[in-house]
Amino acid sequence: AQTVTQSQPEMSVQEAETVTLSCTYDTSESDYYLFWYKQPPSRQMILVIRQEAYKQQNATENRFSVNFQKAAKSFSLKISDSQLGDAAMYFCAYRTYNNDMRFGAGTRLTVKP
Amino acid sequence: EAGVAQSPRYKIIEKRQSVAFWCNPISGHATLYWYQQILGQGPKLLIQFQNNGVVDDSQLPKDRFSAERLKGVDSTLKIQPAKLEDSAVYLCASSNRLTGQYNSPLHFGNGTRLTVT
Repeated sequence: AQTVTQSQPEMSVQEAETVTLSCTYDTSESDYYLFWYKQPPSRQMILVIRQEAYKQQNATENRFSVNFQKAAKSFSLKISDSQLGDAAMYFCAYRTYNNDMRFGAGTRLTVKP
Repeated sequence: EAGVAQSPRYKIIEKRQSVAFWCNPISGHATLYWYQQILGQGPKLLIQFQNNGVVDDSQLPKDRFSAERLKGVDSTLKIQPAKLEDSAVYLCASSNRLTGQYNSPLHFGNGTRLTVT
């Protein structure tokens, strides 16, 4: 069974600094997608970034980037130049072609002004 | 484009009562999901529809939960009778994912926060 582990229940960062959120997953599949979602207090899950497992190049979306280590089954999210609006719960998620999306337990990010 | 619509936003009921949640996905999205998110946890899939057919309901507690997606558009999720442990946020999501298109992201609604007392 696929599992997604986020080992950091809470993280904090100073505004304008950089923070990295960790995620590991367990799978026997070779082809899959990985996602990071953000959930602010409004509860809506918002897609932050996604990574195709067969692509070696790490995905980047503006201030958000990932460090994808396929052999280690690791998929961390780096947020650069943190902003107050980045404060939220962040969920790592995993999906194969025939499965639903599986989520980790989440990391609560606090941004200090 | 309009997002995924869910109602109600909040619901408080007593145990053993029944409750229903409604979801209208993004127009044209064939796949619809209901997730249960217990406080402090990540979302857990309850049921997945493709058009009006059920793809996966293996984690749906069928003795008390039911869901339908008539005409392949909007969907309702019902709990009857509710238990204290059903207190959670119920998220609806949709995607234009068809079989094999697993790169399509899910688009989520704002969820319904259910409190069972």
